[in-house]
Amino acid sequence: GESVGLHLPTLSVQEGDNSIINCAYSNSASDYFIWYKQESGKGPQFIIDIRSNMDKRQGQRVTVLLNKTVKHLSLQIAATQPGDSAVYFCAENRGGSQGNLIFGKGTKLSVKP
Amino acid sequence: KAGVTQTPRYLIKTRGQQVTLSCSPISGHRSVSWYQQTPGQGLQFLFEYFSETQRNKGNFPGRFSGRQFSNSRSEMNVSTLELGDSALYLCASRVTGNTEAFFGQGTRLTVV
Repeated sequence: GESVGLHLPTLSVQEGDNSIINCAYSNSASDYFIWYKQESGKGPQFIIDIRSNMDKRQGQRVTVLLNKTVKHLSLQIAATQPGDSAVYFCAENRGGSQGNLIFGKGTKLSVKP
Repeated sequence: KAGVTQTPRYLIKTRGQQVTLSCSPISGHRSVSWYQQTPGQGLQFLFEYFSETQRNKGNFPGRFSGRQFSNSRSEMNVSTLELGDSALYLCASRVTGNTEAFFGQGTRLTVV
């Protein structure tokens, strides 16, 4: 994939289990936090976002939790499927233009059938 | 509805040359951002354009430039290519005011 050569944290889960991917951020002034999924050979795909004034948001099979006290963000994927295998990035918007995203290094999720 | 289209998909250039990459955003999206993705540095913001104006710029040297046309299509240019410019260059478009950015598949640039 696009991150070949990068030492990424990896998470290996069994199909059907829940996955939790974690991310630490640095700027407490960030307005939005976003999770992206990137499959091999593709660009990042938006999964879910959360505003800084929220602590939880749910989507389809995904939940994002935001803990501003410890500057921690997590993505929970329920009933993980083989199609969820990808690199997951958290990103933060530090104000100004919302296009100015600061991405984390990514976590590689592998789902075992 | 067509997604974000980037051309070309792959490119090989020689050190010292210059290159132009193209991005066609989703119809109706007026904000276009560019990112560089490398194994060592991950995804890094290059610049963002809206209504033909650069709104934000990342921490890249002046060799990296871009522009946006009246139809929202955008190009980025890298002059005097260096080996370290080898990367996947990603373009993302969005509706202004929304956080959801849609990425293209990228242009894989290799500098030899």
